[in-house]
Amino acid sequence: QKEVEQDPGPLSVPEGAIVSLNCTYSNSAFQYFMWYRQYSRKGPELLMYTYSSGNKEDGRFTAQVDKSSKYISLFIRDSQPSDSATYLCAVLRGGYNKLIFGAGTRLAVHP
Amino acid sequence: ETGVTQTPRHLVMGMTNKKSLKCEQHLGHNAMYWYKQSAKKPLELMFVYNFKEQTENNSVPSRFSPECPNSSHLFLHLHTLQPEDSALYLCASSQEGAGGQRDTQYFGPGTRLTVL
Repeated sequence: QKEVEQDPGPLSVPEGAIVSLNCTYSNSAFQYFMWYRQYSRKGPELLMYTYSSGNKEDGRFTAQVDKSSKYISLFIRDSQPSDSATYLCAVLRGGYNKLIFGAGTRLAVHP
Repeated sequence: ETGVTQTPRHLVMGMTNKKSLKCEQHLGHNAMYWYKQSAKKPLELMFVYNFKEQTENNSVPSRFSPECPNSSHLFLHLHTLQPEDSALYLCASSQEGAGGQRDTQYFGPGTRLTVL
């Protein structure tokens, strides 16, 4: 079983839609959860950072962690064409800041 | 820009060539990383350097050889690669031990490597 599972998509939505991106993880000891966004021909950039369970909101983006089901989600409200990118979930494993990434979900928001 | 630069951005090499990838971070971080990103696969951590000391080698074949001369520069020396090594190679840096979100890894734009 992979430590982090993520549906690679692609996911195509119309502008203005609510987008839900999801990952599952296997180890209940993970405490730190991240979402990175990667545009074409660019490196990943940190979008959201969450510690333990709960929700975190930043503008149109909401990150949600449910530790009971080992499920992490990213919601994008009022999606824009500029949100078209690959979204990578990641968990932090102890020891020298070791990030374990999901495969990434490619999102396309069309006008 | 994230403060992490990588050169070259694109590289095509034959299986018998020797080449090097370069990464430089301008963020004052103390940890640097090499990742491999292949199509439809998760980012794979290759090497971690902390205060210039290699702290992680994720079972990477010896045809990949990292070098970290100081906390701002990281190299990946390549020799006798295979076509399956074609991928995007990403460098990242972070401030290890800062705690919480300050441990965030910042990525460079990557080097797109093609092995013929």
